Amino acid sequence: GDSVTQMEGPVTLSEEAFLTINCTYTATGYPSLFWYVQYPGEGLQLLLKATKADDKGSNKGFEATYRKETTSFHLEKGSVQVSDSAVYFCALGPSYTGANSKLTFGKGITLSVRP
Amino acid sequence: KAGVTQTPRYLIKTRGQQVTLSCSPISGHRSVSWYQQTPGQGLQFLFEYFSETQRNKGNFPGRFSGRQFSNSRSEMNVSTLELGDSALYLCASSPGLAGVTDTQYFGPGTRLTVL
Repeated sequence: GDSVTQMEGPVTLSEEAFLTINCTYTATGYPSLFWYVQYPGEGLQLLLKATKADDKGSNKGFEATYRKETTSFHLEKGSVQVSDSAVYFCALGPSYTGANSKLTFGKGITLSVRP
Repeated sequence: KAGVTQTPRYLIKTRGQQVTLSCSPISGHRSVSWYQQTPGQGLQFLFEYFSETQRNKGNFPGRFSGRQFSNSRSEMNVSTLELGDSALYLCASSPGLAGVTDTQYFGPGTRLTVL
């Protein structure tokens, strides 16, 4: 079945450091891919998404490119801020038109950014 | 547009009781999905409702049930609560296009504690 693998955490960075969070997936068809972020005590917020190969999703300085050849959707940010401290989830969406809306999530990774 | 709302935000119950959680989707969204989030199991899909019909179901026991009303609002019910049901229950709404471009937006969650 569909699955998502995220790199192990937690990750601690200094402010203005470069961030990469790895995400790979296994799925049939051509799924949509998402990154969600969860701040302490809150629900999930959509960070960015990509719906087809070579698409680049971007938001708030974060970017991720849908790489079908490596089945990856790594999240990057050039300069992190303390306010980016949160838990980040990679998720796999429907693989084909007509499928339901179920999301399959990775385990999540906690990012802490030091001033 | 108002976001997804969930009530109540916090609940404390004892083993054996039952509980009902409520979710109001974003206006115009017809699909509501429920997820359980625990530290051990991460985010797990419970079920999805679209136009008052269950469209997909995760691997949870029959104690977990849900329904959707004609205004797309949804409720989930857990009967005969167990300690392991303590979790953050997240509701997500989407247009319900059932395709690769469908995107889910999450509410803040209901924190259920079973004593």
